[in-house]
Amino acid sequence: AVQMTQSPSSLSASVGDTVSITCRPSAVIGNALAWYQQKPNSAPKLLIYATSSLQRGVPSRFSGSSSGGDFTLTISSLHPEDFATYYCLQDSTFPFTFGQGTRVEI
Amino acid sequence: DVQLVESGGGVVQPGGSLRLSCAASGFDFDDFAMHWVRQAPGKGLEWVSLINGGGFSTFYADFLKGRFIISRDNSKNSLSLQMSNLRTEDTALYFCAKDRLRYSSGGSPESWGQGTLVTVSP
Repeated sequence: AVQMTQSPSSLSASVGDTVSITCRPSAVIGNALAWYQQKPNSAPKLLIYATSSLQRGVPSRFSGSSSGGDFTLTISSLHPEDFATYYCLQDSTFPFTFGQGTRVEI
Repeated sequence: DVQLVESGGGVVQPGGSLRLSCAASGFDFDDFAMHWVRQAPGKGLEWVSLINGGGFSTFYADFLKGRFIISRDNSKNSLSLQMSNLRTEDTALYFCAKDRLRYSSGGSPESWGQGTLVTVSP
């Protein structure tokens, strides 16, 4: 199975900051990488699919990119409602696999 | 609107079995692959299984080792997960999720239910 190494596991930031989260797959996955946001006691929410495509209804301060085999979620100008846990998912090769998650804290 | 409602969770002893269901509405159910994803208490997301829209292709996480079977009844807009030989480490909230793309053989889960809790305990 493709292993997804996500970093950092947590980060502290302030409203208005720009933060980045990275996922590194253990094998080539093309652009088949999605990002999810999860808040406590809620289901995950799809933010980004196919590396950089913004899911409809998601604010444009969320963006995805890739470089050198690594994938990055960037949140520009953090809003209070962005404090949550974020996960990457590779949907290139079965079995699909999630990263370990990144908790974004105030 | 897409609605997914899981049911069937509960408390079961190690070695036991349980069948989860997911009732779907608000979309053309048989056009979309469906996923099961789980989350152990306080832990991260773990992809479990996928079935394509027609129900003839299925995929599983490596750690399941044949203990779970995913199925669907398109006439009832229903998804199921038959779990057997359950272990304490299977304790988790189990989510069903609709795939993002119509007619896809598997892609990003897009819409999620609220989950059903499975507790495996002696």
